[in-house]
Amino acid sequence: GAGVSQSPSNKVTEKGKDVELRCDPISGHTALYWYRQSLGQGLEFLIYFQGNSAPDKSGLPSDRFSAERTGGSVSTLTIQRTQQEDSAVYLCASSPGTRSSAEQYFGPGTRLTVT
Amino acid sequence: KNQVEQSPQSLIILEGKNCTLQCNYTVSPFSNLRWYKQDTGRGPVSLTIMTFSENTKSNGRYTATLDADTKQSSLHITASQLSDSASYICVVSGIGNEKLTFGTGTRLTIIP
Repeated sequence: GAGVSQSPSNKVTEKGKDVELRCDPISGHTALYWYRQSLGQGLEFLIYFQGNSAPDKSGLPSDRFSAERTGGSVSTLTIQRTQQEDSAVYLCASSPGTRSSAEQYFGPGTRLTVT
Repeated sequence: KNQVEQSPQSLIILEGKNCTLQCNYTVSPFSNLRWYKQDTGRGPVSLTIMTFSENTKSNGRYTATLDADTKQSSLHITASQLSDSASYICVVSGIGNEKLTFGTGTRLTIIP
C-alpha cells in the first residue's frame, strides 16, 4: 500500500510569510508525528497526535508553530511569520499503535528554505 | 537529559568492506533501540528494533548489537555495497514515552 506522503517536497518562502506543510499518513494509522531535521542535527520532535486525544505539543519551538489533524487522517503543520532559523527538513511519520515499540513510518519530508 | 551519541560522524569505506557504527545512549528507563537508514532526500527507514532482552538482531547484511548494561549499541554492515551509502541513525525510546530520542547519525559513504 501507499506509504506516508508529504507535500510540497520543497518550499522556498520569504521571511515573515506563513507556510503550510501537509502530511498524508498510512491509512489506518492512529498515531502521527511531526519532526524537524536541521542541517547536521538529529531529528527534533515537534508534535504528536494519537486518535482523538489532545495532541502532545511539547516539542513545538514557539507559538508560531501549530498543527492540526483533521478526521484522524491528514495533518497540516503551519509556521507563521517564518524566520530563517525555521529552514529545515520537516518529516512526518505515522504509526499503527501507541506503544513505544510501535514502528514509525516516515514520509520523504518537506525541505523548507526561508530567505 | 536523554541523549543519543553516535560515532563516527562520517565514514568512507571501499565497496565490499565491512564497517561498524557505534551508538551510546543515556535514555532511562530504556524501552527499545532502533537503527534507521536515511538516504539523501528521503525519510528514515527502519533497519532493526531491539528491546532490553535482545542483544543482537540481523536484517540481511546489517547486524545490530545491544548492551543494555553499558548502554551501547553497534550496527555492523557486512560486504558493503554502493547502495549502503546513507546516514544511519540510532534512535532510543524510553518506557511509557512516545517520544523518540534521535542521534545525529553517521554519514556512510561507500566508494567503488
